[in-house]
Amino acid sequence: KQEVTQIPAALSVPEGENLVLNCSFTDSAIYNLQWFRQDPGKGLTSLLLIQSSQREQTSGRLNASLDKSSGRSTLYIAASQPGDSATYLCAVYRNKLVFGAGTILRVKS
Amino acid sequence: DVKVTQSSRYLVKRTGEKVFLECVQDMDHENMFWYRQDPGLGLRLIYFSYDVKMKEKGDIPEGYSVSREKKERFSLILESASTNQTSMYLCASSWADTDTQYFGPGTRLTVL
Repeated sequence: KQEVTQIPAALSVPEGENLVLNCSFTDSAIYNLQWFRQDPGKGLTSLLLIQSSQREQTSGRLNASLDKSSGRSTLYIAASQPGDSATYLCAVYRNKLVFGAGTILRVKS
Repeated sequence: DVKVTQSSRYLVKRTGEKVFLECVQDMDHENMFWYRQDPGLGLRLIYFSYDVKMKEKGDIPEGYSVSREKKERFSLILESASTNQTSMYLCASSWADTDTQYFGPGTRLTVL
């Protein structure tokens, strides 16, 4: 059974800092991995999708990497801003999406 | 932009009531999904559908049913609501299995 773990569970950083969120998964037989953002009381917004054949994807200040063989992904956020404060969820897909519990990020101004 | 809408943001129901949660997407997506999200348990898949009138059980289908009579609409039904169904319910849709899922804003259901 696929399990997805996200570390840390919560992170608080000052504005402007670069940061890394970690995601690990137990079964490397995945089709893709996705990173989502969730604001309090809201739905999920897709940030990046990495296909299993890809190593990384970039969107603006966000960069996500995937090492399928080791079962790891990282989400790198450059020059963090208070507006980046949210919960970040990692999910892997084979025949369904399996989500991690998320990392709660707070960027202090 | 893809838009996924859910019929209510907040809903309060009583134990034993029949509850309907509706989800509508405007992008002609084939696939639609219902999840529930609980603190400490994350998002869990309840049911999904790959086509009109098709449905598949997810990880936690007990106590729920679904209906997909039209491609754009996917309904989640709680036949007899119970307090342990108090949760945030999220609907999502996608073009294909391996594509990005687009989520609605969620319905926070409280069962008293």
